[in-house]
Formats: sequence, structure tokens, C-alpha cells
Amino acid sequence: EIVLTQSPGTLSLSPGERATLSCRARQSVSSKYLAWYQQTPGQAPRLLIYGTSSRATGIPDRFSGSGSGTDFTLTISRVEPEDFAVYYCQQYGSSPTFGGGTKVEMK
Amino acid sequence: QVHLVQSGAEVKKPGASVKVSCKATDYTFNNYDITWVRQAPGQGLEWMGWISPYNGKTKYAQKFQGRVTMTTETSTSTAYMELRSLISDDAAVYYCARKQTYYYDSSGYYVGWFDAWGQGTLVTVSS
Repeated sequence: EIVLTQSPGTLSLSPGERATLSCRARQSVSSKYLAWYQQTPGQAPRLLIYGTSSRATGIPDRFSGSGSGTDFTLTISRVEPEDFAVYYCQQYGSSPTFGGGTKVEMK
Repeated sequence: QVHLVQSGAEVKKPGASVKVSCKATDYTFNNYDITWVRQAPGQGLEWMGWISPYNGKTKYAQKFQGRVTMTTETSTSTAYMELRSLISDDAAVYYCARKQTYYYDSSGYYVGWFDAWGQGTLVTVSS
């Protein structure tokens, strides 16, 4: 099983600030197989990014993904009020796994 | 727009089984796998397995092997997930999601991201 570790656990930001979320894999992950999801309280997860850096349909361009090998990053260039949520990275190989999540909260 | 609508909340006793349904609309059901993910209260996401409506092929997470069965009914575009021998740790919200079948992996499965999700089904396990 590919273990994904996300950091920080919680990120406290003000609207307009930049958010940088990290996802580290214990073994190398193909960049084709890395996704990010956003989850707000009481809601299902929503796909943001797939293939490390491709935005899903309807996702604003303030969200971007990068990385390779064992280190991946989700960046929100300027956090909007609706972006306060929990973010999960995922590798979607033949046995998918999720990271533990990063909560982006309002400072 | 893709829609996945799940069945309602369930309350089960330990040792019982639960079967959750997931009805897909507004896309060709056979062209994408359906995957199941659960989330215990206050916890993260846990992948359980997937099924291909096209050929019925399944892949289950090792943790659930022997205790979960995923099926589909193509005539109604509905997927089902049955979990048996429930314990308190199975209390969670269960989500179905549409899985892209974008890459053919060396493991022999089509893999891809989860691009549409159901609203979730709360399963409570209590005596």
C-alpha cells in the first residue's frame, strides 16, 4: 500500500493569502496517478486536480498542482472564503490510497 | 451533468449486513467504473473497491476482501455495495463515485481519478 502523508495538518490563513499544501508518498507515485480533492463539512469530496496538475472541469485557475516522484503540492494562489475546507491527496493506482487531509481554516 | 444518487441512512446491529445503492444518471453507465469510499466520523477517506458495470470485474481493498460485495444492475444504471458482519468500526458515511478508466495499469486494471461523487449514505452500527 502506498502511504501518503499530508502536511501541515491545519493551515490558518486569511482570504487573499497563498496556500501551499504538501503530499508526500512513502514510495514513488506516477505523476499520472495523483489527484487532489476538496471536502467541505457535510459534503462529498469534490475532484480538483488529476494527473498531478490538470484541473477538473469547473475548477478555478487559482488552484494548481505540481510535483513528481514522492513530493506533490497543491497551491491556492489567493484563498477565497469558499476555499476553507479539507483537502485530500490521492494516488489512484490499482489500490488507491488517500492522504490524511489538510484543513485550511480561516485565521 | 453526472449525478449519483445514493440510498438513505441505515441503522444496523453488529453482525448484520448493509446494502447501499447508487443510481447513476446523465452519462453512459457502462463506460465508467463505480468505486466505493467510506469516511468514519471525523476521519479521512478510505477506498473500499470498485466494479466495472461493463463486465462486472471487481477489485476490492484487501481490508474488505471476503466481507464486501459490489454489484451493478445495468438496466437501471444502479450500483450496489453490500458489507457483511458489521462491527462498530464500520459506522461511517459511504460514498459511491464514478471512476475514470483512463489508464491500463500493469496490474491488469483500468485506473483513474474519481470525478463525480454521490451524496453519501450514513451507516450507523449500534446494538
